[in-house]
Amino acid sequence: AQTVTQSQPEMSVQEAETVTLSCTYDTSESNYYLFWYKQPPSRQMILVIRQEAYKQQNATENRFSVNFQKAAKSFSLKISDSQLGDTAMYFCAFLPVGAGSYQLTFGKGTKLSVIP
Amino acid sequence: DTGVSQDPRHKITKRGQNVTFRCDPISEHNRLYWYRQTLGQGPEFLTYFQNEAQLEKSRLLSDRFSAERPKGSFSTLEIQRTEQGDSAMYLCASSLDTGGEAFFGQGTRLTVV
Repeated sequence: AQTVTQSQPEMSVQEAETVTLSCTYDTSESNYYLFWYKQPPSRQMILVIRQEAYKQQNATENRFSVNFQKAAKSFSLKISDSQLGDTAMYFCAFLPVGAGSYQLTFGKGTKLSVIP
Repeated sequence: DTGVSQDPRHKITKRGQNVTFRCDPISEHNRLYWYRQTLGQGPEFLTYFQNEAQLEKSRLLSDRFSAERPKGSFSTLEIQRTEQGDSAMYLCASSLDTGGEAFFGQGTRLTVV
């Protein structure tokens, strides 16, 4: 079974600054996907960024980038130039590939507040 | 297509009653997931369908819970003899293929009184 740990229940950042959210995971699988999802208050969850485990290059999407350390089983999210609209819960998630399991396993989330 | 749709958005029921929720995934998506989310927690996996086949079910899922996806289109999640501990947000998501983005619906918030 996979586990995903987000050790920061809450974080805050000043508008326009940079913040990094941490995520570690535990698995015996060699092939998998990692995701960061954003859940704004009272709104549905949306995908922020995705990383394929076999790709060494870190994924980036505009102001969002990840630091994927496969050996350390670490997958942090960096948000640059933080905006008020980034205020949300952020969930790290793990999906195994070809292991007979289809569970997208989530961490408990980090509540990010962007302060004007 | 406007995304994953869930109905109802809110449901209040008395303990012991049965409830049924519906999820309409994005039309071309063959994969469908149900999750449960309680306040301050991440979504917890309940079950997974590939087309009409239910391929995985959480070991945590009580036998009071049942899900169907007839003809590989919409899905229903039924909870029988509801308990107060069933109060949660029930999320549905769909995706096209392995590793593909899972699109989530807005959820059904269940309150058992």
